[in-house]
Amino acid sequence: QSALTQPASVSGSPGQSITISCTGTSSDVGGYNFVSWYQQHPGKAPKLMIYEVSNRPSGVSNRFSGSKSGNTASLTISGLQAEDEADYYCSSYTSISTLDVVFGGGTKLTVL
Amino acid sequence: EVQLVESGGGLVQPGGSLRLSCAVSGFTFGTYWMHWVRQAPEKGLVWVSRIKADGTGTSHADSVKGRFTISRDNAKSTLYLQMNSLRAEDTAVYYCARGITARYFDYWGQGILVTVSS
Repeated sequence: QSALTQPASVSGSPGQSITISCTGTSSDVGGYNFVSWYQQHPGKAPKLMIYEVSNRPSGVSNRFSGSKSGNTASLTISGLQAEDEADYYCSSYTSISTLDVVFGGGTKLTVL
Repeated sequence: EVQLVESGGGLVQPGGSLRLSCAVSGFTFGTYWMHWVRQAPEKGLVWVSRIKADGTGTSHADSVKGRFTISRDNAKSTLYLQMNSLRAEDTAVYYCARGITARYFDYWGQGILVTVSS
């Protein structure tokens, strides 16, 4: 069981928008603005898409955006494209003493 | 160009040992925290270990504490993970990742497969 809770799957048609949620606790998501999101295509390494809740690294499309409310963070992808089909993982810094970072279980995005 | 390249994986029997390496280039290795993250087959990402930039501070997940040791050689720009007393549940692809402290991981290696099986 992952520390952060994500839906197992979401889907959308090309051009549509989708949102993936990531729910934690006050010890992680709710307590710090250190939520990040990673995209992973099959057989590939994860790629940073959003850091510190809502910041995009250089080179990441502005179709990707992040936000947070309380203990829940969200990743929104607008104008869905076929290449967005991938697994998405949220992550957060945690104050649990034996861990640095916790991940969500991952969400499979299907572009219909 | 930032590059992280893992090596040292493979098949090992339960109870055995392996040492993973992560050779980096394209940035000043000795100024960044480094992490290991693993992914069991068809499963999600799990944080494993962390080492601070100067090597003085390390941390490990409970599942590997006492069995795995993270270390680094800043002169060689190389990160290591010594894995002892390996178990079947340690079977995974292991990624090294550059950390902006523990806030997020901005660069990842391609991953290396470790299979623990008799």
